[in-house]
Amino acid sequence: GQNIDQPTEMTATEGAIVQINCTYQTSGFNGLFWYQQHAGEAPTFLSYNVLDGLEEKGRFSSFLSRSKGYSYLLLKELQMKDSASYLCADSGGSNYKLTFGKGTLLTVNP
Amino acid sequence: NAGVMQNPRHLVRRRGQEARLRCSPMKGHSHVYWYRQLPEEGLKFMVYLQKENIIDESGMPKERFSAEFPKEGPSILRIQQVVRGDSAAYFCASSSIRTSGKNIQYFGAGTRLSVL
Repeated sequence: GQNIDQPTEMTATEGAIVQINCTYQTSGFNGLFWYQQHAGEAPTFLSYNVLDGLEEKGRFSSFLSRSKGYSYLLLKELQMKDSASYLCADSGGSNYKLTFGKGTLLTVNP
Repeated sequence: NAGVMQNPRHLVRRRGQEARLRCSPMKGHSHVYWYRQLPEEGLKFMVYLQKENIIDESGMPKERFSAEFPKEGPSILRIQQVVRGDSAAYFCASSSIRTSGKNIQYFGAGTRLSVL
């Protein structure tokens, strides 16, 4: 089966760095996705990892370790607008059926 | 360059009525996916469609739910004889022709269905 685990909530301060962890268990693997979702809005694609290592994209970076079934999203220089839910998802063996975690609600305080 | 468009944004139905949710994929995308999000839960896959074809409906309830993606027009998720448990946010996503392994899905803003 597939099981995605990530913390329910996190709090950080404006300007700081925060790391949101995600663990997954899947019988097949076609990549690990991160999405950002503001309340009442569409999930927005942030990153995709299929190989081990760190992918950097501006203030956001994502890391994957396939052997450990582990990923994290790193947000640097936090801004108030980064307050949102961050969704971890894997595509398992199907390559199209995304399995999402429940999301991590990040609150950025001034 | 319009993204994935869903309408209506909010839909209120009484028990027993029908709900029709519409989704227009991003321009150039021929793959459509529907997901359901219950309160305090993650997005759950329902169905994957291409034009005039249902590819995978393994996440759809066996009764009352149906989906289509006609040759012309938007994809439709139809829920017949709605019950209170159908109250949720329904999200549509679309993607372009998939290259090996990488299939980025872009989401619409969702339809929030409330069943009274």
